[in-house]
Amino acid sequence: GESVGLHLPTLSVQEGDNSIINCAYSNSASDYFIWYKQESGKGPQFIIDIRSNMDKRQGQRVTVLLNKTVKHLSLQIAATQPGDSAVYFCAENKSNDYKLSFGAGTTVTVRA
Amino acid sequence: DTEVTQTPKHLVMGMTNKKSLKCEQHMGHRAMYWYKQKAKKPPELMFVYSYEKLSINESVPSRFSPECPNSSLLNLHLHALQPEDSALYLCASSLRPSFEDTQYFGPGTRLTVL
Repeated sequence: GESVGLHLPTLSVQEGDNSIINCAYSNSASDYFIWYKQESGKGPQFIIDIRSNMDKRQGQRVTVLLNKTVKHLSLQIAATQPGDSAVYFCAENKSNDYKLSFGAGTTVTVRA
Repeated sequence: DTEVTQTPKHLVMGMTNKKSLKCEQHMGHRAMYWYKQKAKKPPELMFVYSYEKLSINESVPSRFSPECPNSSLLNLHLHALQPEDSALYLCASSLRPSFEDTQYFGPGTRLTVL
């Protein structure tokens, strides 16, 4: 079964605002977390990852935060653009397993 | 280059047909994966190939038959499918079968079973 889930199935954001997408996981043994973006008609695209020994990692316009105490993962997108409209999945796996476990996904819609 | 290619993009088949899905990557990745994704759901793992050998079969029905002819190619042979098998079939690859290695996905094949 899934050990990763998302708090909200949909998120509507005004263009230019920052977006925060949340994900809760239940497996405290998870070692590696990934965010994927899936646009309509396409496969999931890797955005950013984070190891369990880190709290924060930044990429281009994106930041992933990991709170192991409450088993919470979030993806922050700065200055959200129309091209950011997609379904966002968090995923995780453990160091002794390379099977990704995906959360349910959050659909982000950017309003012009 | 992090490209995984899949053909065909779309496939419509009857329940008595035999067809194959193809996946290719030239990144030197030694782990390849098949996922099934239903509408508005996350991908579900079907098979994992590790160094061209089947290492994981997630209790997939035998009407789905994977094949890894070489380190760059992955096929999924389909036979006697059911309408509920209609879905987006995604291929992915990673450098190694390791939790530390990112899985890169192809665009998928949209399969419709009539």
